[in-house]
Amino acid sequence: EDQVTQSPEALRLQEGESSSLNCSYTVSGLRGLFWYRQDPGKGPEFLFTLYSAGEEKEKERLKATLTKKESFLHITAPKPEDSATYLCAVQVSYQKVTFGTGTKLQVIP
Amino acid sequence: SAVISQKPSRDICQRGTSLTIQCQVDSQVTMMFWYRQQPGQSLTLIATANQGSEATYESGFVIDKFPISRPNLTFSTLTVSNMSPEDSSIYLCSVEDPGMSSYNEQFFGPGTRLTVL
Repeated sequence: EDQVTQSPEALRLQEGESSSLNCSYTVSGLRGLFWYRQDPGKGPEFLFTLYSAGEEKEKERLKATLTKKESFLHITAPKPEDSATYLCAVQVSYQKVTFGTGTKLQVIP
Repeated sequence: SAVISQKPSRDICQRGTSLTIQCQVDSQVTMMFWYRQQPGQSLTLIATANQGSEATYESGFVIDKFPISRPNLTFSTLTVSNMSPEDSSIYLCSVEDPGMSSYNEQFFGPGTRLTVL
């Protein structure tokens, strides 16, 4: 069975304190790995797609990387507005996406 | 990217009643998806809705409980039938937006927060 595990469940950072979120996966064949941001009371907002090991994508203070077993979302010098839940999802078959339970990030001024 | 709206944004319903949630997209899309997000949990796919064909339901979800309509390429509805408190969740619709990418990223609506008493 396809599994997606995110860690930590929650992370509290001081403003400017860089860190990484982890998404490990066990799937039969990866078509793509997605990162989303979800603010309270809102739908997930698409951030990145990664398709092959070694691939990296960047957007402002966020950088996503992918290996054969996991993905990292690196947050550099975070700001309070980066506070949100970050979701990882994997696509194995066409249109079937499995989501992790997310990492709730809080950035304190 | 596609702009997705949902109605209602939230509702409080009585046990045994039904609620229909609407999802409207500002452009034509082939694939629309309905998810459930229970409190403190991740997203679970309920069904995939293609225009002009029956919705495809995931394991654990049945058409009698969650009937879906897809009358055209910009609109879909999900009905939560004979509700119980266990149906209290956020319900989300999503679409694949071919205008954004050739890949299969999904883009989500704002969600409908349902509370069943």
